[in-house]
Amino acid sequence: GDSVTQMEGPVTLSEEAFLTINCTYTATGYPSLFWYVQYPGEGLQLLLKATKADDKGSNKGFEATYRKETTSFHLEKGSVQVSDSAVYFCALSDWGGTSYGKLTFGQGTILTVHP
Amino acid sequence: NAGVTQTPKFQVLKTGQSMTLQCAQDMNHEYMSWYRQDPGMGLRLIHYSVGAGITDQGEVPNGYNVSRSTTEDFPLRLLSAAPSQTSVYFCASSYEAVGTGELFFGEGSRLTVL
Repeated sequence: GDSVTQMEGPVTLSEEAFLTINCTYTATGYPSLFWYVQYPGEGLQLLLKATKADDKGSNKGFEATYRKETTSFHLEKGSVQVSDSAVYFCALSDWGGTSYGKLTFGQGTILTVHP
Repeated sequence: NAGVTQTPKFQVLKTGQSMTLQCAQDMNHEYMSWYRQDPGMGLRLIHYSVGAGITDQGEVPNGYNVSRSTTEDFPLRLLSAAPSQTSVYFCASSYEAVGTGELFFGEGSRLTVL
């Protein structure tokens, strides 16, 4: 079945550091890929998405590129802020596979940014 | 803008008790779903619905019941609570089948089963 694997956390960075959170996936159909963010005490919200190979999603300084050849969708930001401290989830939705109409989430990566 | 509203935010149950987690959305979304969030396991789909009167099981449906009598509401029922159901529950909705759309999440309901 479909699955998403994220890098183990937690990740702790200083303000203005470069961020990468790795995400790889397995899917049997034609997945769309997502990054969701969960701030403390809140529900998840969509950060960015990409619906086909080589698409780049971007929002709030974060970027991720859909790499079909490496089945990856790594999240990057050039300069993190304290306000970026949150839990980040990689997810996929696979139209042609067994998880039609459903999002499959990774386990989440906790990011803490110190001043 | 209310978005997706979940109640209650916190609940403590004893083993064997039943309860209903309420979820309502005011965005006229056809798709609604329930997830549970457990440490180190991400979010796992419990049940989902693609419209009023239509529901289906997700990855971890055992011990939970749902119904969808209106577009707005999608309650989740715990029939006989067990400690393994201690978790944070999220309701989410989308204006289309979730393949390319965005899921809108409620703030979560934290359930503890003693």
